[in-house]
Amino acid sequence: GQQLNQSPQSMFIQEGEDVSMNCTSSSIFNTWLWYKQDPGEGPVLLIALYKAGELTSNGRLTAQFGITRKDSFLNISASIPSDVGIYFCAGTGNQFYFGTGTSLTVIP
Amino acid sequence: GAVVSQHPSRVICKSGTSVKIECRSLDFQATTMFWYRQFPKQSLMLMATSNEGSKATYEQGVEKDKFLINHASLTLSTLTVTSAHPEDSSFYICSASRGIYQPQHFGDGTRLSIL
Repeated sequence: GQQLNQSPQSMFIQEGEDVSMNCTSSSIFNTWLWYKQDPGEGPVLLIALYKAGELTSNGRLTAQFGITRKDSFLNISASIPSDVGIYFCAGTGNQFYFGTGTSLTVIP
Repeated sequence: GAVVSQHPSRVICKSGTSVKIECRSLDFQATTMFWYRQFPKQSLMLMATSNEGSKATYEQGVEKDKFLINHASLTLSTLTVTSAHPEDSSFYICSASRGIYQPQHFGDGTRLSIL
């Protein structure tokens, strides 16, 4: 299916720094999801958002469902080496869409 | 919980062999299961969507005779790559959800290598 626009495509940050990535769509979504994929494994669901404006945290991760229902962001605070991986956004409108991914590298 | 088990994790076989990959939802009933293919450093590419008891819906460009999908129960879907060739080598990932618009939960993927 169609893919969402996710940015940035890749990030190289120092351990301890905060990270921010976002996802945009041209159409309205009913849910926004954020996944993390480690090399050679399947994506793991991090956060699910169901309402416009909703702000949800999972440990050091915080995600928000944009009020326009066309975007979402994911923040990671105080990054650590094990945050390395590819982060995907996903959403459901008239079908399920997957983002293009943000590759995160954390430098110790 | 929402645990999805995918098996095998890795397959190496000769060209012309047919390969079956299983996807099981271990602790929930999966009305809908999805099969993806992922190339290195790229996002997941949806191949097909299957609902329990009905025929799979394939994405444009995916050969249904090449990639046979069976979703016979609410906990099991299988993908069979028929007469596999080297260009079919890839990382295949399944996911399962309680409904087509519900969050998908992914298996750990199958690395398929065709010699």
